[in-house]
Amino acid sequence: GQNIDQPTEMTATEGAIVQINCTYQTSGFNGLFWYQQHAGEAPTFLSYNVLDGLEEKGRFSSFLSRSKGYSYLLLKELQMKDSASYLCAVRALGGGFKTIFGAGTRLFVKA
Amino acid sequence: ETGVTQTPRHLVMGMTNKKSLKCEQHLGHNAMYWYKQSAKKPLELMFVYNFKEQTENNSVPSRFSPECPNSSHLFLHLHTLQPEDSALYLCASSPHRDRQETQYFGPGTRLLVL
Repeated sequence: GQNIDQPTEMTATEGAIVQINCTYQTSGFNGLFWYQQHAGEAPTFLSYNVLDGLEEKGRFSSFLSRSKGYSYLLLKELQMKDSASYLCAVRALGGGFKTIFGAGTRLFVKA
Repeated sequence: ETGVTQTPRHLVMGMTNKKSLKCEQHLGHNAMYWYKQSAKKPLELMFVYNFKEQTENNSVPSRFSPECPNSSHLFLHLHTLQPEDSALYLCASSPHRDRQETQYFGPGTRLLVL
């Protein structure tokens, strides 16, 4: 079957760096996404990885290792507004495309 | 302004009612998606349309019926729903299903089934 695991909650300090991990088990892997979702709002696309390695976008970076079924989202220079849920999602090809989301990691940034 | 609009924003319906959710995107995208988000549960992809053709149906019950008349509009027709169908229904769009690098979400319709 397909499964995605990520921590339920994390707490970090303003200005620090935090790494949110995501592990997955799937066949026919076809890409991994990270989304940010503030409470009561729609998810916002952050990153997409389909090949191994690190993708950097400003303060946010995402890493993928397909052989290990592992990804992480790295947030640098944390700001209070980064307090949100971060959703890991995996797209797989098998009898058509399927996208499965993890339960999300709630990040609390404290002063 | 996300470029993806959804109506209504809130909907209360009985189990015997028939209603429709509407999504419209003004971004020139070719792929559109319906998601369900229930409290304390992962986001669930329901349907995917690419160039008006349905390409994914993630085992969604038939009481949910999608319709995509063109690449800019997506509907979700609801009938004989159950209380457990109460959730936030999100619409999203992207340039192409196979290039989901940029997927934009609408604000969602919060549905309550009584």
